[in-house]
Amino acid sequence: QLQLHESGPGLVRPSETLSLTCNVSGGSITSDNYYWGWIRQPPGKGLEWIGNIYDTGSTYYNPSLKSRVTISVDTSENHFSLRLSSVTAADTAVYYCARLSDWGEIQKWGQGTLVTVSS
Amino acid sequence: QSVLTQPPSLSAAPGQRVTISCSGGTSNIGTQYVSWYQQLPGTAPKLLIYENNKRPSGISDRFSGSKSGTSATLGITGLQTGDEADYHCATWDSSLSAHVFGPGTEVTVL
Repeated sequence: QLQLHESGPGLVRPSETLSLTCNVSGGSITSDNYYWGWIRQPPGKGLEWIGNIYDTGSTYYNPSLKSRVTISVDTSENHFSLRLSSVTAADTAVYYCARLSDWGEIQKWGQGTLVTVSS
Repeated sequence: QSVLTQPPSLSAAPGQRVTISCSGGTSNIGTQYVSWYQQLPGTAPKLLIYENNKRPSGISDRFSGSKSGTSATLGITGLQTGDEADYHCATWDSSLSAHVFGPGTEVTVL
């Protein structure tokens, strides 16, 4: 059964870069036609799409975050990663990695990891 | 502020039926597929409905989805205490070139 698991620092200093990795197990990141993406949820608030990547490396980013976001994939390690630069307190959120279909529905979610931006 | 609108909260007694609305526009719901997610307290969201009205394997038929024009609706019949959760709608917005989510609706079982 496919599982996704986020890993990375739980605390990031303001102005620094947030880095998270999503490890995919129980299936190959290159199988079938799926996108792999990141979504976040600030405490007590709604969900916000960050961006997607295809196993070929094609990326799609939320225009509101595009200047600060990089999503990459490592097919040999079966994982994909998120980098968000110049973070502020507004970037404090639970970050989820996920698998998306071609039509965009988020079929599978990781458990989420809380990242706090604070000095 | 989301381009999709949902009621902040709904409540109903066990066994009742509730409907959750998700309103948008022609660049999103009006021309794109809608999906719905259930988020139980303290957990990650889970896909309930995709492509407007399809249920993934394992999702109860008490959950249903529909779409008309620029609005979509999630229906829950036979409400149970285990259905207490936040429910989020989502779709693609072709004007924003972004996946967008509704603000979420908190369902309480009285």
